[in-house]
Amino acid sequence: KAGVTQTPRYLIKTRGQQVTLSCSPISGHRSVSWYQQTPGQGLQFLFEYFSETQRNKGNFPGRFSGRQFSNSRSEMNVSTLELGDSALYLCASSRSTGPETQYFGPGTRLLVL
Amino acid sequence: ILNVEQSPQSLHVQEGDSTNFTCSFPSSNFYALHWYRWETAKSPEALFVMTLNGDEKKKGRISATLNTKEGYSYLYIKGSQPEDSATYLCAFSPNTGNQFYFGTGTSLTVIP
Repeated sequence: KAGVTQTPRYLIKTRGQQVTLSCSPISGHRSVSWYQQTPGQGLQFLFEYFSETQRNKGNFPGRFSGRQFSNSRSEMNVSTLELGDSALYLCASSRSTGPETQYFGPGTRLLVL
Repeated sequence: ILNVEQSPQSLHVQEGDSTNFTCSFPSSNFYALHWYRWETAKSPEALFVMTLNGDEKKKGRISATLNTKEGYSYLYIKGSQPEDSATYLCAFSPNTGNQFYFGTGTSLTVIP
């Protein structure tokens, strides 16, 4: 069974630009969660999507948004990039919404210059 | 904001040593506690999910215990091997929504 995949793996952007990251969950998984990791910080929860609906949202500004498609693939968008958005962005999938095990992708490393 | 703390922040042990780490989490609104292992340049790998007070889980040389009343979990590694070198993360799930709150992890280095 293929694992969670994320594209691109690395990305360099400049301040003010926007970026879209993609996540393909494990086949059959309908919940996708997104996390941000910055140096010295634990994984910070961004949001969770289930059946194309945002179910939970973390404490991030509105510049961070996401969506989920009917095939459960998810995208995350960050508009008006700031230097502090440089981070590793991980997505994780699970079969359903609820605190069951989440399976993580390899992440997208974003550098904002 | 829920606070999940892990200690120690990092640990260096000799091959063959046994070691343990701690994860502290809120004792209220508990639903589940997860342990992950994260090797450099790889995806975090799920180790255990525990839901009941007193739960004990084991996977090979790694085991974990859970105390929901006092809000802590221990992860034990028996006879550490170099391949155990990784960051070990715990994540708390409250019963108020599907949101994981991660600690900052314990970085383990096993010296051959």
